[in-house]
Amino acid sequence: NAGVTQTPKFQVLKTGQSMTLQCAQDMNHNSMYWYRQDPGMGLRLIYYSASEGTTDKGEVPNGYNVSRLNKREFSLRLESAAPSQTSVYFCASGGGGEKLFFGSGTQLSVL
Amino acid sequence: QKEVEQDPGPLSVPEGAIVSLNCTYSNSAFQYFMWYRQYSRKGPELLMYTYSSGNKEDGRFTAQVDKSSKYISLFIRDSQPSDSATYLCAMSQTGGTSYGKLTFGQGTILTVHP
Repeated sequence: NAGVTQTPKFQVLKTGQSMTLQCAQDMNHNSMYWYRQDPGMGLRLIYYSASEGTTDKGEVPNGYNVSRLNKREFSLRLESAAPSQTSVYFCASGGGGEKLFFGSGTQLSVL
Repeated sequence: QKEVEQDPGPLSVPEGAIVSLNCTYSNSAFQYFMWYRQYSRKGPELLMYTYSSGNKEDGRFTAQVDKSSKYISLFIRDSQPSDSATYLCAMSQTGGTSYGKLTFGQGTILTVHP
């Protein structure tokens, strides 16, 4: 079982460039989440999707957009990358309750 | 002030030691309390999950929640080098629209040396 799969694993962007982070889960979970992890800050919620067809903002949504393509896939888009978006991005899914399963992360550097 | 405070360490202990990791929080609406373990360059994995106050034991791991003091702990007995990782506490309010909207501590880096 692959669980939660994120692509790419590493990415370097220049300021102003755009990119989409992909996430797919094979656990038939309803809810999916995007978190970012920065040193000394823990993980912070960017956007989440409680079910297919719905998305909502988390704690730090500015500069990001999301798409819940179907039940399996939840993508995160940076329209115009900024150095402040340099971070490690984690996708997670949850089948109910508070137990989340995380992907292995995307390390993004914006120069 | 952050909603969840966790001492980032780093914490270094010898193999076999008892490890105590702690978090304090300020939001009295938190009902679900979790500990995640994160190995280097990996995603967090759920280690312990507790609802409301009390203790929960799983092998060498014990999670404690004291809601009256807004304080949670994770104890690791007979620590092993394979326990070397970052430990993140996380918590959330009662379900519904709060499902999966976890608030994390900063994480504590633990090293267990042989």
